[in-house]
Amino acid sequence: QKEVEQNSGPLSVPEGAIASLNCTYSDRGSQSFFWYRQYSGKSPELIMFIYSNGDKEDGRFTAQLNKASQYVSLLIRDSQPSDSATYLCAVDTTSGTYKYIFGTGTRLKVLA
Amino acid sequence: SAVISQKPSRDICQRGTSLTIQCQVDSQVTMMFWYRQQPGQSLTLIATANQGSEATYESGFVIDKFPISRPNLTFSTLTVSNMSPEDSSIYLCSVVLVGTEAFFGQGTRLTVV
Repeated sequence: QKEVEQNSGPLSVPEGAIASLNCTYSDRGSQSFFWYRQYSGKSPELIMFIYSNGDKEDGRFTAQLNKASQYVSLLIRDSQPSDSATYLCAVDTTSGTYKYIFGTGTRLKVLA
Repeated sequence: SAVISQKPSRDICQRGTSLTIQCQVDSQVTMMFWYRQQPGQSLTLIATANQGSEATYESGFVIDKFPISRPNLTFSTLTVSNMSPEDSSIYLCSVVLVGTEAFFGQGTRLTVV
């Protein structure tokens, strides 16, 4: 069974710090990786996607992918209280199908 | 991105009844999906909504329980049939636009009593 694992948290960081969120996946053939942010009672919002090994930066967010280790992470720099949410890691295990397998999410709390 | 309108946003239903959820998108869509998010859990893919043909269901989901229609590129419905309290969940429409990744509608919060 294809799985995506995340630490459920909560992960608490002080305002201004770097928040590091991690995700591992079981299917070595996975090609596409996504991070969604979900505020309580709201639907998931796409914040980052990454396809190649290495780092991808977008504003305060950096996604990191290591396919050999089957590991993807999300770094949030200068964390703000408004970043407090659940972060969902999603993996497209069959390239191009867009049939994502989601992790259970990590709840992030940024303390003012 | 696009505007994805999902209706209703929430409903409370009696067990044994059915509810149809609608998803309308204002842009050309290549793919549409339906997900379920049970309380405190992550998202699980129910099915791919195929335009003009039967939906493709994931393991554990069947057409009799979750009939899906997609009469055109920008509209789909999901029906939750013969509901029980175990069907209480958030149901989410997901769309893939041309050249983009998957986006989600606002979700329908269903409570079955």
